[in-house]
Amino acid sequence: GAGVSQSPRYKVAKRGQDVALRCDPISGHVSLFWYQQALGQGPEFLTYFQNEAQLDKSGLPSDRFFAERPEGSVSTLKIQRTQQEDSAVYLCASSLRLFEDLVVNEQFFGPGTRLTVL
Amino acid sequence: KNQVEQSPQSLIILEGKNCTLQCNYTVSPFSNLRWYKQDTGRGPVSLTIMTFSENTKSNRRYTATLDADTKQSSLHITASQLSDSASYICVVNRYLGRLYFGRGTQLTVWP
Repeated sequence: GAGVSQSPRYKVAKRGQDVALRCDPISGHVSLFWYQQALGQGPEFLTYFQNEAQLDKSGLPSDRFFAERPEGSVSTLKIQRTQQEDSAVYLCASSLRLFEDLVVNEQFFGPGTRLTVL
Repeated sequence: KNQVEQSPQSLIILEGKNCTLQCNYTVSPFSNLRWYKQDTGRGPVSLTIMTFSENTKSNRRYTATLDADTKQSSLHITASQLSDSASYICVVNRYLGRLYFGRGTQLTVWP
């Protein structure tokens, strides 16, 4: 399909385990975003990439969270030493234009990865 | 502080009825406001995007309004259908900045 895809769709981890979540954005999209959505809440911004450059990581909750997009396409969100409070749905979104573009910039979301930490 | 508040938190209506969802925001400076629909287990899907100069915008049975002076928006759904059952999220884009999401209104349409 032509949409944003994420894998795995579901991940169960034991507390203390490291996890890696993958996002495949729409081909050609410059901007990529990661969000964390707790149960019953709206998504919360985590980090943003423009091509391979991580321009804003102010939303990452701790230094256990790390994201990369080495070739400006696929991105991976890694969480080290997972804790129960990390349990959430992790959404990835991509958009065609630069984040700072003054034209309204549509973001397209993937289905998310539901992480459960036991 | 940049915030987006939505009401009601949840809503149950009968199929065929209309409903209105509310959104208040304090995000500044303002760029645009979006309404997203999020089905259970899926990512949000955009319904409308409104800029500062737009007061109302319609997309099929969805009509969004924006009052940039009072920093309020509403989403009106007419002739509701069972498939409208979802979470509706108000999202405000700060000028040259990121998106701020409300918690969403969980709408349930009963037959």
